[in-house]
Amino acid sequence: ELKVEQNPLFLSMQEGKNYTIYCNYSTTSDRLYWYRQDPGKSLESLFVLLSNGAVKQEGRLMASLDTKARLSTLHITAAVHDLSATYFCAVDMGTGNQFYFGTGTSLTVIP
Amino acid sequence: KAGVTQTPRYLIKTRGQQVTLSCSPISGHRSVSWYQQTPGQGLQFLFEYFSETQRNKGNFPGRFSGRQFSNSRSEMNVSTLELGDSALYLCASSLAGTGSTEAFFGQGTRLTVV
Repeated sequence: ELKVEQNPLFLSMQEGKNYTIYCNYSTTSDRLYWYRQDPGKSLESLFVLLSNGAVKQEGRLMASLDTKARLSTLHITAAVHDLSATYFCAVDMGTGNQFYFGTGTSLTVIP
Repeated sequence: KAGVTQTPRYLIKTRGQQVTLSCSPISGHRSVSWYQQTPGQGLQFLFEYFSETQRNKGNFPGRFSGRQFSNSRSEMNVSTLELGDSALYLCASSLAGTGSTEAFFGQGTRLTVV
């Protein structure tokens, strides 16, 4: 069974600091997605990574994918309070619209 | 462009009852998948429908079922509700569901079983 692990589970960081969230998965896949969820809300798509070495950036967030290491990272640069949310990575097995989600990382940015 | 619409947004049901949730995907999207989100188990895949056919199924009991109509709208049904079925149920739609396209999630249906 595919396992997707994220760490850390909880992250409290000061505004202006940098940090990285890690997503490890247990089987071969070259499709990795990052989502953001605010409390009580749905999932918002952040990044779609579809090949080894893919790197995408949007504002203060940058995501990368290393399919050989089965690792994706979500790097946060100069955090701001608006980034406080739960971040999920998800692996698609390529058999359809079927995602295996990580445990989520609850990020709190402190002023 | 309208997003993914799930109805109802909130439901309260009694143990033993059944419930039907609805999901209208983005226009043109043919793949709809369903997920259960709970604090203890996180986000878990239920099933996926593409062109009215169930293409993938997660590891849930047979009490959980679904279907998709010709207009791509999907419903999921849970029979003989248990307290543990209380969760946020999310559906996601994508264009082709081949894994290389983005999936968009609805606002979810919050089901409470009492």
